[in-house]
Amino acid sequence: GAGVSQSPSNKVTEKGKDVELRCDPISGHTALYWYRQSLGQGLEFLIYFQGNSAPDKSGLPSDRFSAERTGGSVSTLTIQRTQQEDSAVYLCASSLAASGSGEQYFGPGTRLTVT
Amino acid sequence: AQSVAQPEDQVNVAEGNPLTVKCTYSVSGNPYLFWYVQYPNRGLQFLLKYITGDNLVKGSYGFEAEFNKSQTSFHLKKPSALVSDSALYFCAVRDPSTGRRALTFGSGTRLQVQP
Repeated sequence: GAGVSQSPSNKVTEKGKDVELRCDPISGHTALYWYRQSLGQGLEFLIYFQGNSAPDKSGLPSDRFSAERTGGSVSTLTIQRTQQEDSAVYLCASSLAASGSGEQYFGPGTRLTVT
Repeated sequence: AQSVAQPEDQVNVAEGNPLTVKCTYSVSGNPYLFWYVQYPNRGLQFLLKYITGDNLVKGSYGFEAEFNKSQTSFHLKKPSALVSDSALYFCAVRDPSTGRRALTFGSGTRLQVQP
């Protein structure tokens, strides 16, 4: 399919371990976003990429969170030393960035559970 | 700062009846407004958007929304509800005057359509 894909779909990890979440955007979409959806916080913005650069990292909750994007395509969100409060569904979205008015298309998400 | 309010946690409607899911927003400039739907264990699906022009916007699956600047509202409507419309609905806003690309989402409204 031509949609946004994310892997893994589910991840269970022990507190203190590092995790990597992957996002593969729609081909040709230069803008990529990470959001987090949790029961208590709703949908929160984490980081925005335009190409390989991240002009907006304002939503990253702590320095344990980082993300990169290579080749203007695939992005990886890394969470170091995971904590139980990191448990959530991590959603990736992409859009055509030319005008900024384009809708964002979301992937199915990665459900992260920290035990 | 941009914000969105969805005042109803849940909306119940009988199949065949009209439905309305409410959304109000707050931005400094002119808003870009979006509605998304989320089915269980799925990512968000784009329904419709308002950028400029006609205040009545038509979208996927027979949904429409009306932009009302004076009331700062963007309510989602459908003339005749289907059981299959039962899902979680999110309103989102972006204020292009800020230069930020991130969407701010409401807390979501669960729509339950009874047969």
